[in-house]
Amino acid sequence: SQKIEQNSEALNIQEGKTATLTCNYTNYSPAYLQWYRQDPGRGPVFLLLIRENEKEKRKERLKVTFDTTLKQSLFHITASQPADSATYLCAPLWGSQGNLIFGKGTKLSVKP
Amino acid sequence: IAGITQAPTSQILAAGRRMTLRCTQDMRHNAMYWYRQDLGLGLRLIHYSNTAGTTGKGEVPDGYSVSRANTDDFPLTLASAVPSQTSVYFCASSPSGDWDTQYFGPGTRLTVL
Repeated sequence: SQKIEQNSEALNIQEGKTATLTCNYTNYSPAYLQWYRQDPGRGPVFLLLIRENEKEKRKERLKVTFDTTLKQSLFHITASQPADSATYLCAPLWGSQGNLIFGKGTKLSVKP
Repeated sequence: IAGITQAPTSQILAAGRRMTLRCTQDMRHNAMYWYRQDLGLGLRLIHYSNTAGTTGKGEVPDGYSVSRANTDDFPLTLASAVPSQTSVYFCASSPSGDWDTQYFGPGTRLTVL
């Protein structure tokens, strides 16, 4: 069965540094992958989508890569700020109905 | 602009009782979803609907039922609640389902005693 792993439950970094979060998937090849941000007590909010034929996608300080050979996506936040502190969820496409399968998330804490 | 609304915000329910969680969207999205989120397990898909009148089972459908009588509403029913259904429930929608981003509601925190 498909398996989604996000590299760590928690990541602590210093303000101004680049945060790098990892998402690995096994046993299948999703056509695309999405990243979401979730704040405590709130629903997830969409950040970026990357397709299997795209190596990299950027949006302001965010960058996502998609390596279909390694079966891995990396999510980068450059010049991180305390306001970036949240849980980040990886969500590859799952099945034939356009549904997503979510990873358990990585909780990022950016310290001033 | 409301987006997606869920009701109730939270609920404490006795085991064995029937409960319907409500979800309404005003974006005219075709697809809607119900997820549950549990500590250590992440978000898991319960049921989905790609268009009004159709529904499908997700990863964890047992003990839950849904209906999609119109575009805007997608209620989730627990026919006879059990303590293992204690969770935070999120409703989401997307314009067409395939390749689309999902927009999430604020969630319902349900406790079954």
